[in-house]
Amino acid sequence: EVQVVESGGGLVQPGGSLRLSCGVSGSTVSTIHMAWLRQAPGGGPEWVSVIYNDGNTFYGDSVRGRFTISRDNSKNTVHLQMNSLRDEDTAVYYCATFYAGSYWGQGTLVTVSS
Amino acid sequence: QAVVTQEPSLTVSPGGTVTLTCGSSTGAVTRSLYPYWFQQKPGQAPRALIYDTTNKHSWTPARFSGSLLGGKAALTLSGAQPEDEADYYCLLSFGHFWVFGGGTRLTVL
Repeated sequence: EVQVVESGGGLVQPGGSLRLSCGVSGSTVSTIHMAWLRQAPGGGPEWVSVIYNDGNTFYGDSVRGRFTISRDNSKNTVHLQMNSLRDEDTAVYYCATFYAGSYWGQGTLVTVSS
Repeated sequence: QAVVTQEPSLTVSPGGTVTLTCGSSTGAVTRSLYPYWFQQKPGQAPRALIYDTTNKHSWTPARFSGSLLGGKAALTLSGAQPEDEADYYCLLSFGHFWVFGGGTRLTVL
């Protein structure tokens, strides 16, 4: 069974940076598609970014140019570097696999506030 | 970018059947958009029920099924149970961008 565990969330001031990590077991991140999604309080999920198994990366309009997704094949981990954070980036951030199904972690809370 | 539309809310009687739909502003939803359906209960992470239009996860109850219906992706629940009361989200992959629908709050009453 595939398991996904996010880490790295916390409180950060507007304009600050944060790096989220996503560890995967039961699958190999270099062979599947991995995505970050987020959910603001009271809202639905929003797609943030994806790294396809071929290495191509794509971003949602609201984060493009500020966030960077990457993967570390040696550690079977995916990261989300978040820069220039804004109040509206406050959300629970989920990491998920997308290949022959979808497995999600429990999420990590990012709060952007002064 | 595309807008993905779902019914905001639906109600189904226990034991009844209901179909949730997922449409796209770009046109008909096809298998090439790899429709996913997620169920989310309060305080929990979303959980995938259906992927790639019709495929089920091992944990997906048999009463849930996915299909294409009238140019939309559809999630049909046959024989609703009280524990099916939840929010349901569809996700479409347009290659360079993915879009969630606004979600359907399903009430079993």
